[in-house]
Amino acid sequence: QKEVEQNSGPLSVPEGAIASLNCTYSDRGSQSFFWYRQYSGKSPELIMFIYSNGDKEDGRFTAQLNKASQYVSLLIRDSQPSDSATYLCAVLISSGSARQLTFGSGTQLTVLP
Amino acid sequence: GAVVSQHPSRVICKSGTSVKIECRSLDFQATTMFWYRQFPKQSLMLMATSNEGSKATYEQGVEKDKFLINHASLTLSTLTVTSAHPEDSSFYICSASSEVETQYFGPGTRLLVL
Repeated sequence: QKEVEQNSGPLSVPEGAIASLNCTYSDRGSQSFFWYRQYSGKSPELIMFIYSNGDKEDGRFTAQLNKASQYVSLLIRDSQPSDSATYLCAVLISSGSARQLTFGSGTQLTVLP
Repeated sequence: GAVVSQHPSRVICKSGTSVKIECRSLDFQATTMFWYRQFPKQSLMLMATSNEGSKATYEQGVEKDKFLINHASLTLSTLTVTSAHPEDSSFYICSASSEVETQYFGPGTRLLVL
């Protein structure tokens, strides 16, 4: 089982709709969760991070964390064509004395005009 | 804030040569820098983690003698690909973090080895 799993997609939504991206993780002790957006040919850029159970909103983006079920999701409201990208879920996982960010394989989102 | 730069953005070299990539945190002190590699249509793969002033920790399967990492200051880390071969062609991305856990990524360096 992969440590961080995402549906690779592609996920297509019409412009103005809500895009829902999901991620599950295996390390129950993980405390920190991140969503990055990566445009084709570019490096990832941080969208949001979340540490506590519940929802965290930032503009059109809402991150949701459920530690009991070990999933974290990202909702994008009023999706725009410019939101078309690959979205990477990342989880800070402890490995011995080290902690490292482990990425999912990413979900490719296409917002159709 | 939290800007990370990389240089060069793109490099083409002949097989057998060495290539150095610089990663700088421009507006914060990075206690830890990370180097990733990404092949087309694949996710980021962590190569190594480096803390300022100490030896880098390499991930399993990454040759430390081939990928030399130096983290000489709190704002600069370098990755040198020694004796590069075509299979080393990839997108190399660094990230940096301070005491908090958030990593900020550089724009990446696209390496093509002929």
